[in-house]
Amino acid sequence: KAGVTQTPRYLIKTRGQQVTLSCSPISGHRSVSWYQQTPGQGLQFLFEYFSETQRNKGNFPGRFSGRQFSNSRSEMNVSTLELGDSALYLCATGTGRGEAEAFFGQGTRLTVV
Amino acid sequence: GIQVEQSPPDLILQEGANSTLRCNFSDSVNNLQWFHQNPWGQLINLFYIPSGTKQNGRLSATTVATERYSLLYISSSQTTDSGVYFCAVSTNAGGTSYGKLTFGQGTILTVHP
Repeated sequence: KAGVTQTPRYLIKTRGQQVTLSCSPISGHRSVSWYQQTPGQGLQFLFEYFSETQRNKGNFPGRFSGRQFSNSRSEMNVSTLELGDSALYLCATGTGRGEAEAFFGQGTRLTVV
Repeated sequence: GIQVEQSPPDLILQEGANSTLRCNFSDSVNNLQWFHQNPWGQLINLFYIPSGTKQNGRLSATTVATERYSLLYISSSQTTDSGVYFCAVSTNAGGTSYGKLTFGQGTILTVHP
């Protein structure tokens, strides 16, 4: 079956702009989590959506937001981009049970100039 | 929140050597996964192992949940094993943590021919 699909793979944006990233989960997966990876901070949890509701949230400013659609696809939005938002953004999907295995997409590499 | 520590941070091997990577965590977990991050950034699932021992080819993993650590063994290493290895955990402690993985800082493995 198809894996987790993230689009786009690469993005270059200017400071102050906003960006939307997309994640399509494995069929049957209802949980989508987002992570930010930077060289300095490593992999950090942004938020998780399950059945169109945000279920968990990490320690990121309100500029970072997300949503989930009825088909479980999720989008992540970052407004008023800052240079420090340059990172690899990864999404992971799962069945939604805490003990369930998570599967990651290929990531979106965002560069803010 | 839960703390995850991986050791060693860096590991350099000659092809054919064996290695052991360690992951210590600070609280009980309901999910523990080992990942290999490929050069393009995708996290590849190696093991889902909240407890017990598993083997997959030259790789094996053991988690001793009561002592809060996990080990990843790589035997007869190959240059293609190079990359970053991450341990990630989730826990129900303190409330609902479904879908939230906490990552260690990773072990950078370099295998020379």
